[in-house]
Amino acid sequence: ETGVTQSPTHLIKTRGQQVTLRCSSQSGHNTVSWYQQALGQGPQFIFQYYREEENGRGNFPPRFSGLQFPNYSSELNVNALELDDSALYLCASSLAGTRTYNEQFFGPGTRLTVL
Amino acid sequence: KQEVTQIPAALSVPEGENLVLNCSFTDSAIYNLQWFRQDPGKGLTSLLLIQSSQREQTSGRLNASLDKSSGRSTLYIAASQPGDSATYLCAVSPRGSYIPTFGRGTSLIVHP
Repeated sequence: ETGVTQSPTHLIKTRGQQVTLRCSSQSGHNTVSWYQQALGQGPQFIFQYYREEENGRGNFPPRFSGLQFPNYSSELNVNALELDDSALYLCASSLAGTRTYNEQFFGPGTRLTVL
Repeated sequence: KQEVTQIPAALSVPEGENLVLNCSFTDSAIYNLQWFRQDPGKGLTSLLLIQSSQREQTSGRLNASLDKSSGRSTLYIAASQPGDSATYLCAVSPRGSYIPTFGRGTSLIVHP
């Protein structure tokens, strides 16, 4: 059984650029959630995907968008990067039906730095 | 809006001590509470998951308790070791929602 993987590990971008982060879910999991964790803070929920549909969204602007693919891998896209977007981005997968929170398994994260 | 507070923010103890980390939440209508460990710059590792109907969960040297009525959970670590050094986070999931609220964590250092 493979765990959750994320790529890239680290990324440096400049303000205004766009970025795509990738996540491969744990085998058998059909739900993926993305979180943003600023330094010294707890993770903040961005959105969740279930069966390729956005299943809920936290308090993040539309320039944060995502995709989930038939193999349950996922992407997080951020447009028009701002300095405050610098953070650790975490992906978590779970086996869940709609509106049900089950135990989530996290990937190692992608550290994004915006200059 | 659910708020989750973790006390203390940081803790430094000698090896071998038993210790207690605290997590409090403002809305007791929860679905479950989960404790995580996070090493610096890394992802989260799930330690214990307590459903709202449960009072405690145990795994090895770890024991987590849940008191919904008072809005509190504690994580007890027995016989601490230097390898336990990490940040410990708790996350509360409300009923009818799949969006967990995390605390800011307790940074633990266990020195030899």
